[in-house]
Amino acid sequence: DAKTTQPTSMDCAEGRAANLPCNHSTISGNEYVYWYRQIHSQGPQYIIHGLKNNETNEMASLIITEDRKSSTLILPHATLRDTAVYYCIVRVNSGNTPLVFGKGTRLSVIA
Amino acid sequence: GAGVSQTPSNKVTEKGKYVELRCDPISGHTALYWYRQSLGQGPEFLIYFQGTGAADDSGLPNDRFFAVRPEGSVSTLKIQRTERGDSAVYLCASSLTPVLGHYGYTFGSGTRLTVV
Repeated sequence: DAKTTQPTSMDCAEGRAANLPCNHSTISGNEYVYWYRQIHSQGPQYIIHGLKNNETNEMASLIITEDRKSSTLILPHATLRDTAVYYCIVRVNSGNTPLVFGKGTRLSVIA
Repeated sequence: GAGVSQTPSNKVTEKGKYVELRCDPISGHTALYWYRQSLGQGPEFLIYFQGTGAADDSGLPNDRFFAVRPEGSVSTLKIQRTERGDSAVYLCASSLTPVLGHYGYTFGSGTRLTVV
């Protein structure tokens, strides 16, 4: 699987949009971008995934650049409960390939 | 149950002892994954089950680690001759298995193993 690069940490004011970047310059054509997050003392939680089109669900939006070398996860109105470590993962979209986690970005939402 | 259940939530054992960690996946989930997480690190893949068989055990660090899933549901991770370096949170996840695509993994809260 291709590697991803994420900032170690970020802060965001409560109520503002949190934009979490991810670089994946060596992504292959058949690899998707996945985002998970891990709140303290819990297991990771699936957020969203996409191939090349922008995706949106009830939790977040995923914006993937046209060349697919980077993406941004957007939490439109961050709350204190969004404080967590956010993992960006690239992976072929096969049920038989386990997810490989990096160190992620620690997002702190500040009141 | 509604989620993935892992027991015990905490386990303290002496160096050299044998431990078993249990995972109850979501009913009907055919795929089951074990990860371990050290402080400040992301989860590290250990082993993946598809049904009863280990489809990928490439993440197991050495032959002291073994996992089973005899009936395709509950799984047990077994660690022999524990070492202090085995101390970590052991996470289990389950999911449906599509031919293509991705169903989000559902993780348990983990078992915190401390080897003293």
